[in-house]
Amino acid sequence: KAGVTQTPRYLIKTRGQQVTLSCSPISGHRSVSWYQQTPGQGLQFLFEYFSETQRNKGNFPGRFSGRQFSNSRSEMNVSTLELGDSALYLCASTVRARTSGGETQYFGPGTRLLVL
Amino acid sequence: GIQVEQSPPDLILQEGANSTLRCNFSDSVNNLQWFHQNPWGQLINLFYIPSGTKQNGRLSATTVATERYSLLYISSSQTTDSGVYFCAVGSNFGNEKLTFGTGTRLTIIP
Repeated sequence: KAGVTQTPRYLIKTRGQQVTLSCSPISGHRSVSWYQQTPGQGLQFLFEYFSETQRNKGNFPGRFSGRQFSNSRSEMNVSTLELGDSALYLCASTVRARTSGGETQYFGPGTRLLVL
Repeated sequence: GIQVEQSPPDLILQEGANSTLRCNFSDSVNNLQWFHQNPWGQLINLFYIPSGTKQNGRLSATTVATERYSLLYISSSQTTDSGVYFCAVGSNFGNEKLTFGTGTRLTIIP
């Protein structure tokens, strides 16, 4: 199976612009989570989508939004970019083992966003 | 929310050495995973281990849920083991949110 894919891999924007990042989970995985990683704050949960519904949301301002499509692909959007939004944005898809109920998250390679 | 602390923050070892990384968490969890982030930023899942012990080659992990800690053991370290190791926990079934620790940066010197 192909892994989690994210596009684009690198992005440079200026303050005030908006950006859309895309994530395709592993085939058959219906849950997609987004994380932001910065040197100062580490890895922080943004939101999680399951079957096109946002199931959980982290503590980020409303400028951060997302959606999921019927094929489980997900997008996240950041509007009115600020310098502090420069980060590695990671997407993960989750599989739950039927026997143990255990969960494993598989991460994509990430999108590096630089806001100037 | 749950607090996750990892120690040590940095570890520098000679190739061939063994290491133990620790993860403490502040509340009961039903999901605990260890990840390795390589220098290019890719996070690789090492273990799903909310309790008990697992082994995979030179790596093994033990979680003592009642005492709220987990340990990751790396034996016979190789330079490819370098990177940052994260512990991440979750506390609700059906809620895929993971809370990550601040990581342990491991550097293996040839």
